[in-house]
Amino acid sequence: DQQVKQNSPSLSVQEGRISILNCDYTNSMFDYFLWYKKYPAEGPTFLISISSIKDKNEDGRFTVFLNKSAKHLSLHIVPSQPGDSAVYFCAASAGSARQLTFGSGTQLTVLP
Amino acid sequence: GAGVSQSPSNKVTEKGKDVELRCDPISGHTALYWYRQSLGQGLEFLIYFQGNSAPDKSGLPSDRFSAERTGGSVSTLTIQRTQQEDSAVYLCASSPQGIQTQYFGPGTRLLVL
Repeated sequence: DQQVKQNSPSLSVQEGRISILNCDYTNSMFDYFLWYKKYPAEGPTFLISISSIKDKNEDGRFTVFLNKSAKHLSLHIVPSQPGDSAVYFCAASAGSARQLTFGSGTQLTVLP
Repeated sequence: GAGVSQSPSNKVTEKGKDVELRCDPISGHTALYWYRQSLGQGLEFLIYFQGNSAPDKSGLPSDRFSAERTGGSVSTLTIQRTQQEDSAVYLCASSPQGIQTQYFGPGTRLLVL
């Protein structure tokens, strides 16, 4: 039972354009959401997060949108750069349960 | 400052042997987590330590897996009688008190032959 789903295993985008990574969840108890970036042979690096009381959070080139009614969140990267090429994981946590539930990841490739 | 460190970075072992994986969290972080990532999969929660509270072991896949955290800092994940399906990257993360963002180490790549 996958509670966090990333349905696109891969995405290719041209440098300078927008990258949109999507994530769906099924557990209505999730109230905090995060995006991590992972390069090969490294641990995940925290990118940006959003609480369920908000519907948007922005940090530089990265913006996360949360649609609670649709149980959907997305990460927008604009403009995309070749160095953004990595696997992106969305993750969620519920209330006092501190463990994160992760999606299976999306491989982003930004083409120069 | 220094991030989360893990050792060894790679471990190859034979089926049936025991292995110990070590995690040094970021100094001052009260919470410590273990996850594993099997090939092509997302991260799977294993166990969570918070201060002096009893750990949340709800993610441990079998009684062959155990973990301890000594002095509220370093943690060791032990896998007894390893099986081939234990092959994965084992990741440790830590977070400060009251903060939900977790910071990950580089992982230990375990291969059971």
